Amino acid sequence: DTAVSQTPKYLVTQMGNDKSIKCEQNLGHDTMYWYKQDSKKFLKIMFSYNNKELIINETVPNRFSPKSPDKAHLNLHINSLELGDSAVYFCASSQDLADLYGYTFGSGTRLTVV
Amino acid sequence: SQQGEEDPQALSIQEGENATMNCSYKTSINNLQWYRQNSGRGLVHLILIRSNEREKHSGRLRVTLDTSKKSSSLLITASRAADTASYFCAGAGGTSYGKLTFGQGTILTVHP
Repeated sequence: DTAVSQTPKYLVTQMGNDKSIKCEQNLGHDTMYWYKQDSKKFLKIMFSYNNKELIINETVPNRFSPKSPDKAHLNLHINSLELGDSAVYFCASSQDLADLYGYTFGSGTRLTVV
Repeated sequence: SQQGEEDPQALSIQEGENATMNCSYKTSINNLQWYRQNSGRGLVHLILIRSNEREKHSGRLRVTLDTSKKSSSLLITASRAADTASYFCAGAGGTSYGKLTFGQGTILTVHP
């Protein structure tokens, strides 16, 4: 069983479109995250949620809207996609905010905006 | 802002040799973690060292932490071709509470 699963794995779309990426974890963790990895492999936190509540919104454009219907799911919706949004987006979870045991990452969604 | 900065950015060694990667961080942390990322895959948690620990071992991995110098090192002993990957350090807690802040990674290539 995949612990953190995100879909789709690949997403190719045109500028201006709206798209969503879904993430689910079956670990019973309280905290979930979205990270963006750019072409230089730099990983940057976008959002973190704890028990469905937004904890961190790291100066991400408001075109990005996370939604957590329950603590096992954290979806990412992106409006009006731009070329600069092309990246790999990773969902992750941790037991709680104290993060004493490390994160579990999904396998990533490679978004290409053309 | 980046919490960790890895050194070297790239490391190329032969199978059987040891690989050492260093990480420096800027602000206080509760723990420091190391992750591996194989090409085209997600990150895998390797080891976590808490701020009150100085050294930790897990199999062929040895991690040290020097909070006075704000630095950590990851040693992989007797490397294998399968260890070829990018390795990232990440700080948690302190001013990074509620998130892991990653360095830019070290690309390790182990030649058979």
